[in-house]
Amino acid sequence: SAVISQKPSRDICQRGTSLTIQCQVDSQVTMMFWYRQQPGQSLTLIATANQGSEATYESGFVIDKFPISRPNLTFSTLTVSNMSPEDSSIYLCSVTTGINEKLFFGSGTQLSVL
Amino acid sequence: GDSVTQMEGPVTLSEEAFLTINCTYTATGYPSLFWYVQYPGEGLQLLLKATKADDKGSNKGFEATYRKETTSFHLEKGSVQVSDSAVYFCGLRANYGQNFVFGPGTRLSVLP
Repeated sequence: SAVISQKPSRDICQRGTSLTIQCQVDSQVTMMFWYRQQPGQSLTLIATANQGSEATYESGFVIDKFPISRPNLTFSTLTVSNMSPEDSSIYLCSVTTGINEKLFFGSGTQLSVL
Repeated sequence: GDSVTQMEGPVTLSEEAFLTINCTYTATGYPSLFWYVQYPGEGLQLLLKATKADDKGSNKGFEATYRKETTSFHLEKGSVQVSDSAVYFCGLRANYGQNFVFGPGTRLSVLP
C-alpha cells in the first residue's frame, strides 16, 4: 500500500498568483499522477509525473500552466501558475505501486481563486 | 478513446434501502474496472475492483460484476447505512497503459 500526504489541504488565492502543491509518499512508487476535480465534474488527469524526466501532459494541459517536479520516487509537486477563477478546483495526487496495481489518492487540495 | 458513464446523482435513500449505481464503459481490449469512494473531507479510496469478464468485486457489502457483454460494472448494496454517504466513482484502466479514466461520480446520501 501507499500513504500519501498532500498539502496544502486548501487555499484561497488571488488571481495572477501561483500555488505549489506538494505530494509526499511513504514508499517509492513508479507512477505518480496529478488529477483535477472541478465542481460537479469527474476526475481529469492533468499529467503523469516521471522521475528523472519531464512530466507527460494530457490534452488541454501545458507545462507553462502546470509545471511539475518529480525529484525522486517519493515526492512530486504541481504548480498552478498565473491562476484565474477557472482554476478553482480540487487537485489530487495519486500513485500506483506498479503495473496492474491499484491507484492510491491523496486527500486533495481544494483551491479557490478569487 | 476510453470513457466511463455513470448514473447522474445525487441519489438519496433511506437506511437499509437497496442501492444500485449504474456504470457503463467504452474501451478497447479488456480493461480493469474499479469503484472508488470519496467520503466527506477525505481522499478517494478503492472500494472494489474486477480485472476480467465475469469477475465480481466485493467489499463492505458492496458488489459489482464485470459484464463484458453489456460493458457494465454496476455497483450494488443490499442494505445501505448512513455511513455509506459519499461520492462513488466508477473507473477503468486500459490493459495497455497506466492511465485511469473515471466517470463523473455519483453522490449518495443515506438518511436515517
